[in-house]
Amino acid sequence: DAGVIQSPRHEVTEMGQEVTLRCKPISGHNSLFWYRQTMMRGLELLIYFNNNVPIDDSGMPEDRFSAKMPNASFSTLKIQPSEPRDSAVYFCASSLTGDRRGYTFGSGTRLTVV
Amino acid sequence: AQSVSQHNHHVILSEAASLELGCNYSYGGTVNLFWYVQYPGQHLQLLLKYFSGDPLVKGIKGFEAEFIKSKFSFNLRKPSVQWSDTAEYFCAVSGGSYIPTFGRGTSLIVHP
Repeated sequence: DAGVIQSPRHEVTEMGQEVTLRCKPISGHNSLFWYRQTMMRGLELLIYFNNNVPIDDSGMPEDRFSAKMPNASFSTLKIQPSEPRDSAVYFCASSLTGDRRGYTFGSGTRLTVV
Repeated sequence: AQSVSQHNHHVILSEAASLELGCNYSYGGTVNLFWYVQYPGQHLQLLLKYFSGDPLVKGIKGFEAEFIKSKFSFNLRKPSVQWSDTAEYFCAVSGGSYIPTFGRGTSLIVHP
């Protein structure tokens, strides 16, 4: 299994530009999670999907952030417009719903907004 | 709601020293407990987990953790650390929803 695949690994963009982060979960996993990691706030859960449906997006910081999961094998996290304070590492993780063994994380996307 | 507190933000040790990282959680029901490790520039990987049974859990790379229900704690230990253990360590707890809440992490630096 290739694991959770995220792209790109690094993204540098200018303030105001649209940024799209991508995630392919492990095949067969039906829960998908987006996290943001910063020095100041640690690891924050932004949103999670179950069977492609967003269940809880209370962690999404503001309307500039949106996430979609059009099918079981693909999800995007979009920031429009981006701001310097959005600079962070964004992780995607997947699991089987109700599987208490924990998540499998992707390698993350390091976003820098200048 | 569940929450996790990791007491040590930064720990610096010499090789062969013993390690103990503190983790306390808050949750009223049955919990599942995890320790994840994040090596520099990499993603989080599961180190060990506790669901039930023996409260002393052994994980990979010589790590172990002890669940003490009365203290709401799940401390991580290793008797002798190596330089390669330099990483960030995250404690996490999940309850009925099985969605973990993560602590802020502890940065461990091991000097050779």
